[in-house]
Amino acid sequence: GESVGLHLPTLSVQEGDNSIINCAYSNSASDYFIWYKQESGKGPQFIIDIRSNMDKRQGQRVTVLLNKTVKHLSLQIAATQPGDSAVYFCAEIAQGGSEKLVFGKGTKLTVNP
Amino acid sequence: KAGVTQTPRYLIKTRGQQVTLSCSPISGHRSVSWYQQTPGQGLQFLFEYFSETQRNKGNFPGRFSGRQFSNSRSEMNVSTLELGDSALYLCASSLAPSGTTYNEQFFGPGTRLTVL
Repeated sequence: GESVGLHLPTLSVQEGDNSIINCAYSNSASDYFIWYKQESGKGPQFIIDIRSNMDKRQGQRVTVLLNKTVKHLSLQIAATQPGDSAVYFCAEIAQGGSEKLVFGKGTKLTVNP
Repeated sequence: KAGVTQTPRYLIKTRGQQVTLSCSPISGHRSVSWYQQTPGQGLQFLFEYFSETQRNKGNFPGRFSGRQFSNSRSEMNVSTLELGDSALYLCASSLAPSGTTYNEQFFGPGTRLTVL
């Protein structure tokens, strides 16, 4: 069935370190994946996306890696800053299928100064 | 350009009551989706509206309903409230529904509903 989960519910890092947030998905028909950031009191905000025909995509300080063989997605944040503290969600969608986003439970990232 | 707005931001109701939440999408966006967010279940899709028609529906009971108006504004209604309906209700808008390409969804700040 459709389900997106996360390996760790919380992650604590030191400012300046790199952060890696993981996500597992189970729907092999999913062909588009998105990472969202949700700060306290706000709605989720788009960070970066990746299509299933790619295995890596880079943005500003963020990189998403996709391993379709093991249905695993990760978000890497370089030089993590206090402003990166938030809950991060991965989401998947099977375009041409149900066309609805399925979200993981989220990982809370805390950046210590 | 103004973002997605949701009203009210906070709401307290008692069991058995009904509630209506409102969402105004970004100007020009015609698709509106609703999500329920709870600590236990995370973000769960409720429904999606486009051109005043419900295109997609999640696995929620019939007590949850919605509609979209001709100006793309949307409302969702929950009748006969239960304690478990306490959640953050998020609205997201996009230019159009996702089909063969994904149209980015922009989320509002949510309405925090507490059922006592």
